[in-house]
Amino acid sequence: GAVVSQHPSRVICKSGTSVKIECRSLDFQATTMFWYRQFPKQSLMLMATSNEGSKATYEQGVEKDKFLINHASLTLSTLTVTSAHPEDSSFYICSARGNGIYEQYFGPGTRLTVT
Amino acid sequence: GIQVEQSPPDLILQEGANSTLRCNFSDSVNNLQWFHQNPWGQLINLFYIPSGTKQNGRLSATTVATERYSLLYISSSQTTDSGVYFCAVSKTSYDKVIFGPGTSLSVIP
Repeated sequence: GAVVSQHPSRVICKSGTSVKIECRSLDFQATTMFWYRQFPKQSLMLMATSNEGSKATYEQGVEKDKFLINHASLTLSTLTVTSAHPEDSSFYICSARGNGIYEQYFGPGTRLTVT
Repeated sequence: GIQVEQSPPDLILQEGANSTLRCNFSDSVNNLQWFHQNPWGQLINLFYIPSGTKQNGRLSATTVATERYSLLYISSSQTTDSGVYFCAVSKTSYDKVIFGPGTSLSVIP
């Protein structure tokens, strides 16, 4: 099946620093990648959708200058949380979808803690 | 936008029991998936089922698109089935995917 990796799985950073999370599709070309945020005991909230080679489309209420998304190749998308604050602490999950295919495949998630 | 409801919100089962999870959605959809999020946070694809019935081992799913609901059946539950089950829908392949609130399942030995 389709495999998506995410790195790092867990990161702790200090307030004011930036953190980059990588999402890779390992065995298929991901024309579209999605970034979600999940708070404890809640559902997934879509943050943004990125298509390879294009600017990401952000959901309402998501600051694009704070959450920088780059989808430079068909196998890699990155999410950079800039000037992180404790309220940015959350579980971030990426997913990927191939061309012409509806199903999304999810990475294992990254748990971000900002101190 | 489309509203997605799931029931029950929480479920505790004895190992070996069967269960039915339900997903209701407020508008017609062309795409529907069921996922299992394990206790470590990984989401696992269970079914892509915009309509009809599918089976995979002890799990099966049925979507009645005209009545705007989908059911996930778990038979002979095992402790490894514990976690949160989400359904996710979109009206078309170009629309964003809306996740339901999930059903939290605990299977006890």
